Amino acid sequence: NAGVTQTPKFRILKIGQSMTLQCAQDMNHNYMYWYRQDPGMGLKLIYYSVGAGITDKGEVPNGYNVSRSTTEDFPLRLELAAPSQTSVYFCASSVATANTGELFFGEGSRLTVL
Amino acid sequence: AQKVTQAQTEISVVEKEDVTLDCVYETRDTTYYLFWYKQPPSGELVFLIRRNSFDEQNEISGRYSWNFQKSTSSFNFTITASQVVDSAVYFCALSEGSYSGAGSYQLTFGKGTKLSVIP
Repeated sequence: NAGVTQTPKFRILKIGQSMTLQCAQDMNHNYMYWYRQDPGMGLKLIYYSVGAGITDKGEVPNGYNVSRSTTEDFPLRLELAAPSQTSVYFCASSVATANTGELFFGEGSRLTVL
Repeated sequence: AQKVTQAQTEISVVEKEDVTLDCVYETRDTTYYLFWYKQPPSGELVFLIRRNSFDEQNEISGRYSWNFQKSTSSFNFTITASQVVDSAVYFCALSEGSYSGAGSYQLTFGKGTKLSVIP
């Protein structure tokens, strides 16, 4: 039972570098989300998707981009990494909208920007 | 704007003690949903419970129980006879609005309460 799979688990970037965090789910969920978790803080929504080809901004989208070409995959791209993007990133999915259903989370990707 | 406050940053209890984690929320909507998630040391968040604003019944699931009180805007979580495996960060979260509104996609999380259960 894979659920939500994120890669990589750890990454160190230099300022200005770009990278993509991968997220895949095998539960056929329409809804997918990217959250970031800063130390001592709750999770904040970066982007979400309600289905293949449809994405929208969350609370903290600046500096990130997403795409949703398939139901299974929802990659998060950082174009010009900045120290403020040092965080733990969580991908999640749900069968229904967030407020009606359970979110299934991946194990997180810890990103450090130096 | 919606807000979730978990005033307890860290709590330590000895195994078998009962412990209550507090959650206070703010919202202007009459329709909203409240959640608790557990984040064990392994990192991934695990769903524990969801309540909607129209259902104030308390709920018990094994050693876990939840007390929802609209009058005080609180949704507290109690673990009875705590165990070492309960050690984790616990998040309370809130989502507003109807099934199809913009708020239906976003959970607002509290900052979490780190629970340490000492053997």
